[in-house]
Amino acid sequence: EVQLLESGGGLVQPGGSLRLSCAASGFAFSSYAMNWVRQAPGKGLEWVSIISGSDGSTYYADSVKGRFTISRDNSRNTLFLQMNSLRAEDTATYHCAKDIGSTVETLGFDYWGQGTLVNVSP
Amino acid sequence: QSVLTQPPSASGTPGQRVTISCSGSSSNIGSKTVNWYQQLPGTAPKLLIYRNDQRPSGVPDRFSGSKSGTSASLAISGLQSEDEADYYCAAWDDSLNGRYVFGTGTKVTVL
Repeated sequence: EVQLLESGGGLVQPGGSLRLSCAASGFAFSSYAMNWVRQAPGKGLEWVSIISGSDGSTYYADSVKGRFTISRDNSRNTLFLQMNSLRAEDTATYHCAKDIGSTVETLGFDYWGQGTLVNVSP
Repeated sequence: QSVLTQPPSASGTPGQRVTISCSGSSSNIGSKTVNWYQQLPGTAPKLLIYRNDQRPSGVPDRFSGSKSGTSASLAISGLQSEDEADYYCAAWDDSLNGRYVFGTGTKVTVL
C-alpha cells in the first residue's frame, strides 16, 4: 500500500524558514517523480515543485522560485521542501504527491499525502 | 491566476449527467495531456482521470474525460450524493520554463 506522510509544518514568522519532509512507502520511490502541491485555506490547488525520479531535474512555480528548494533522499525514501524567506501568502496545507511517471513533465499525481499545515504569521 | 478556466459551480439531481469544462491554451491542454482530480470535503485530492480519458483502477466508469483542441471536459453520469466535491483539471504547461497548472476548480452540488 502506497503511503505518503508529510511533516515539518507549523507556525513561522514572515522571513523565516521551514523544512518539510514526506516519508514514502509501498512503492519504488526512486523510480518516480515527486511533487509538492499546496492549498491555501478555502482556496484551490497550486502546484509548487517537482523533482524527477531519474536525473534529479527540478521545476518550480514562479511564486516560489528562488525561495523554495525541492530535494529527495532515495536511500531514505524521503522527499523534502526547504522553504526560505516565507511570506504570509505561503500559508497553506502542503501535500506531497507521487507522480505517475519518472520525468518532470508530469502525467499526473496518483497518490497524495494528507498534508502538513504551514502558517506564516507574525 | 490559473491559466486553466473552469466554471465555479455545477449541480444536478441524483441520476443526472453533469459536465465540467476546462479551457486552456496551446501551451497546456492544446499540446499536453489532461488530468482531473476530485477533492471531497476535508480530504486530499484524488486522481480521477489521466492522459485525457484514462481512469485509474478503482474509479467508477461513471466518470469520463475528453479533450478537444485547447479544452477538456469531465462528465459524471448517474450522479450520486457522494460525488459532491470540488473538481480540478490540470496539465503541464510549456510556458514560463515549464510548470504544472491546475484549473480554478468546480464545486459540484448534488441537489
